[in-house]
Amino acid sequence: GAGVSQSPSNKVTEKGKDVELRCDPISGHTALYWYRQSLGQGLEFLIYFQGNSAPDKSGLPSDRFSAERTGGSVSTLTIQRTQQEDSAVYLCASSSIQGNGYTFGSGTRLTVV
Amino acid sequence: DAKTTQPPSMDCAEGRAANLPCNHSTISGNEYVYWYRQIHSQGPQYIIHGLKNNETNEMASLIITEDRKSSTLILPHATLRDTAVYYCIVRVDRGSTLGRLYFGRGTQLTVWP
Repeated sequence: GAGVSQSPSNKVTEKGKDVELRCDPISGHTALYWYRQSLGQGLEFLIYFQGNSAPDKSGLPSDRFSAERTGGSVSTLTIQRTQQEDSAVYLCASSSIQGNGYTFGSGTRLTVV
Repeated sequence: DAKTTQPPSMDCAEGRAANLPCNHSTISGNEYVYWYRQIHSQGPQYIIHGLKNNETNEMASLIITEDRKSSTLILPHATLRDTAVYYCIVRVDRGSTLGRLYFGRGTQLTVWP
């Protein structure tokens, strides 16, 4: 597709369950980012993938969070044993190495009840 | 560390120019200034970026001071649809890796009729 695609757009889960969020970046974009945005807050960096380099995981808030990027394309963000404070909009962005800017997806709104 | 300072909110009358300031006094020589905006419930949208020269595109103009310690985003004829949070960001844009974007709190621009 022409843009960054994220799925699902909305996810409601029970506390303690695991969730997987998917990001399909723009074809050919080598850089991929995950951010999250809690209600009324700014964007918080989570993780960054660049080509075949080791990902920058320094923004992951706890070891319950992990992400992978298979074949340099689709990425999955996994949150294990979800907590209510994990409720947020999770945003994915991608960029080409020569890009003028990052293109963001519409996000996944995660609600932990 | 957002590395930028913006006013929390601004108002602008429809049809008038909106001038959004940003301070980035610690910017390094290889760091670009990027502007994004986020309309409620959507992912951030790229607007414009620059290094030291003024830039203009179909959306906006970017004026960077000679010492590069501040910049101004100009929306020449603001419309109601320009109501959004505007983020000013500095990032490294050289080498084989792309630096992450540090999003601060941004400026809530409200365009009124």
